[in-house]
Amino acid sequence: GESVGLHLPTLSVQEGDNSIINCAYSNSASDYFIWYKQESGKGPQFIIDIRSNMDKRQGQRVTVLLNKTVKHLSLQIAATQPGDSAVYFCAENMGDYKLSFGAGTTVTVRA
Amino acid sequence: DGGITQSPKYLFRKEGQNVTLSCEQNLNHDAMYWYRQDPGQGLRLIYYSQIVNDFQKGDIAEGYSVSREKKESFPLTVTSAQKNPTAFYLCAAGRSGGGTEAFFGQGTRLTVV
Repeated sequence: GESVGLHLPTLSVQEGDNSIINCAYSNSASDYFIWYKQESGKGPQFIIDIRSNMDKRQGQRVTVLLNKTVKHLSLQIAATQPGDSAVYFCAENMGDYKLSFGAGTTVTVRA
Repeated sequence: DGGITQSPKYLFRKEGQNVTLSCEQNLNHDAMYWYRQDPGQGLRLIYYSQIVNDFQKGDIAEGYSVSREKKESFPLTVTSAQKNPTAFYLCAAGRSGGGTEAFFGQGTRLTVV
């Protein structure tokens, strides 16, 4: 399953499929971006980050893509597992103290 | 987790009372942050501190106060002036100067009764 184009607050995906979570950021001056995963009742956990001089970065089962032209960030999760069910937040940083967070996307994995 | 300890996990407060949320870190990071999270929403910055004995207001500081007397500790007081204090509060720490990730605690859920 995937959310394409506009940010969607929820995403339902079949176990084993790939997931794509989208995020539109607000400030063209932002130069650092992070994806966090938050499970119910817990604090956000760092997943992967990317700096503005890169277009793509890969981690274990995750890939982040950055399109600065349209101020768009995406997180791809390969072979989605039940443990991937959570809320995913993107955050942007402009090189100062502040991380600004998006509203989040709730991912539900169907067995 | 990640060296950030928040306590208590759940907190109940009567209207009109002040309450203090604890946050301790053992990561030796200079910067610490407090965020508020409401159901179905993202995180909003309340206060942050980049160094001991210094802190600045974030986007929603009204009704809150903080102190930073030690590098390891950044307690948040929710005062009676905060009109809608029921929320999930998250503390984080990171390297100062920005451009790096913040590490979060497990949060304190505050409920006004």
